[in-house]
Amino acid sequence: GAGVSQSPRYKVAKRGQDVALRCDPISGHVSLFWYQQALGQGPEFLTYFQNEAQLDKSGLPSDRFFAERPEGSVSTLKIQRTQQEDSAVYLCASSLGGGLREQFFGPGTRLTVL
Amino acid sequence: AQKITQTQPGMFVQEKEAVTLDCTYDTSDQSYGLFWYKQPSSGEMIFLIYQGSYDEQNATEGRYSLNFQKARKSANLVISASQLGDSAMYFCAMREGTGKSTFGDGTTLTVKP
Repeated sequence: GAGVSQSPRYKVAKRGQDVALRCDPISGHVSLFWYQQALGQGPEFLTYFQNEAQLDKSGLPSDRFFAERPEGSVSTLKIQRTQQEDSAVYLCASSLGGGLREQFFGPGTRLTVL
Repeated sequence: AQKITQTQPGMFVQEKEAVTLDCTYDTSDQSYGLFWYKQPSSGEMIFLIYQGSYDEQNATEGRYSLNFQKARKSANLVISASQLGDSAMYFCAMREGTGKSTFGDGTTLTVKP
């Protein structure tokens, strides 16, 4: 496809479960970003990859959050021992290069932790 | 630290009229980018327009224009000839050279027929 895709689109987890969220960026896009968007708020930066290198993970809220992009394409955001405050939409974005180029967003994964 | 402020939680506009959505920003960087995104109720984030900090001309993309006033640190979005399909949440964002973006809390725009 031409755009950024994310799966699953919806995920319901029981508190304490581990979840894995997948992002397929636009082909050829070097940079990949993860954001967390709470209801009624703007996206909050989580982490950033350039190719397979994780250049910034300052936004990850705790050590329960882990992201990887081992081959510089698909990325996975993993949340261990989910808690209710993790409930949010997780957005993935990609851009052609680094710097100030525009980012193109995927449809997001809505995570609900019960 | 970077900060984006959108002071209008909600805005109403009559169809076919123009509307301005406010955005102010704070940064100590000299090089940065300013973006506007539209997020309809379906949830996808749609890129609208980009302004670089060194661009001397205001950016325009069809019915969207960005009123960039660098000294005042404002980057307001102007939508001309509003359409019903423009009803959505609009986010202003700033991107620093590292790639990290900071978003505002958004403005909900409602276009009235």
